[in-house]
Amino acid sequence: GAGVSQSPRYKVAKRGQDVALRCDPISGHVSLFWYQQALGQGPEFLTYFQNEAQLDKSGLPSDRFFAERPEGSVSTLKIQRTQQEDSAVYLCASSLRRGLSTVNEQFFGPGTRLTVL
Amino acid sequence: GNSVTQMEGPVTLSEEAFLTINCTYTATGYPSLFWYVQYPGEGLQLLLKATKADDKGSNKGFEATYRKETTSFHLEKGSVQVSDSAVYFCALSDPRTNAGKSTFGDGTTLTVKP
Repeated sequence: GAGVSQSPRYKVAKRGQDVALRCDPISGHVSLFWYQQALGQGPEFLTYFQNEAQLDKSGLPSDRFFAERPEGSVSTLKIQRTQQEDSAVYLCASSLRRGLSTVNEQFFGPGTRLTVL
Repeated sequence: GNSVTQMEGPVTLSEEAFLTINCTYTATGYPSLFWYVQYPGEGLQLLLKATKADDKGSNKGFEATYRKETTSFHLEKGSVQVSDSAVYFCALSDPRTNAGKSTFGDGTTLTVKP
């Protein structure tokens, strides 16, 4: 399995709970992206890592959202005090090289479907 | 900022019909353009891409031409199959200005009937 994997695939949380979503990128991929996909819409950018450095977090909707990639490989997206509007599919993507100055393909994981009750 | 507008769906065609899904974009830089496909129960997969004006991307019988003058990247296929039923997303990315993050359209659902 050389693709991007995400876990859990499905998560149901009660409003107010904290959740953690995991992404395992393709080995050796430098860049990692998180996207949020609401029902019936396209993915929306959340944040971007180059190795362990979080270079862009402009898409995170609030300070309840936090992402990390401490060793430059696995990444975790954490959502604190979940709200119903956080219900969406969270997609992770990785690419081989740096985003800057190089167009390179992003490989997407299957996503984590989060439902907040 | 960057944006992508896709033809609204759903689109329903008979097998072997001609497919066009329109996509137009707004970008401040010189983006690369992509079409992604999402089959039922699966993740997004890159279908084809074009990195500069007048480039044509093609894959699996699908093709799209990067038209800078009309800021468009319409997806076409001459003869669709039932197995092409999926959601199609148009996207752009400009690594020179936004580190390669992608901006997506809202997707177009295609259903092909036998």
